[in-house]
Amino acid sequence: EAQVTQNPRYLITVTGKKLTVTCSQNMNHEYMSWYRQDPGLGLRQIYYSMNVEVTDKGDVPEGYKVSRKEKRNFPLILESPSPNQTSLYFCASSLGRGEAFFGQGTRLTVV
Amino acid sequence: AQSVSQHNHHVILSEAASLELGCNYSYGGTVNLFWYVQYPGQHLQLLLKYFSGDPLVKGIKGFEAEFIKSKFSFNLRKPSVQWSDTAEYFCAVKSDSWGKLQFGAGTQVVVTP
Repeated sequence: EAQVTQNPRYLITVTGKKLTVTCSQNMNHEYMSWYRQDPGLGLRQIYYSMNVEVTDKGDVPEGYKVSRKEKRNFPLILESPSPNQTSLYFCASSLGRGEAFFGQGTRLTVV
Repeated sequence: AQSVSQHNHHVILSEAASLELGCNYSYGGTVNLFWYVQYPGQHLQLLLKYFSGDPLVKGIKGFEAEFIKSKFSFNLRKPSVQWSDTAEYFCAVKSDSWGKLQFGAGTQVVVTP
């Protein structure tokens, strides 16, 4: 089954404690991205990757890092999380002009 | 700056009523257009998409959308909504040159029995 898998689904952490949210897709898509969803703001792109070892900043990259060592994986790293990074995060993948497929989401709370 | 605007943030309507959600974008070039739906507690799912051809696009669950190039609009419609259509709806635009999806702020739709 074609899918984008994120883990964990829920995460509560403390300020400053490094965390990683994993994302994996099985569709051989070149393009992967991370979004955060906040009420009234829709989805805003954090980082994206057009292929292996090619990543770039989206609209709200501050406080986040990513890597793309393999085509299927695109982890999101928060080196020192802060409360303003409390949000719902989605990973997505797509092929060229096509639609994006989204993961189930990760609800992160930073206290 | 490139942007996507959704006209309504919240819509409340009764079952069997008709639904129309507005979406306008500001990209000047060729675009691909999408409507996604997010049911409570779930991830985004594709409702329909427009790449080229017939500007009236039919999607899943009885939804359709009309692309009007001159108005930079891609409005979503459903003739008769059901309670199960309660969800948040997002318009999204992808410019032809690369893969970034730009989303609107979303419209929360509540359908009352």
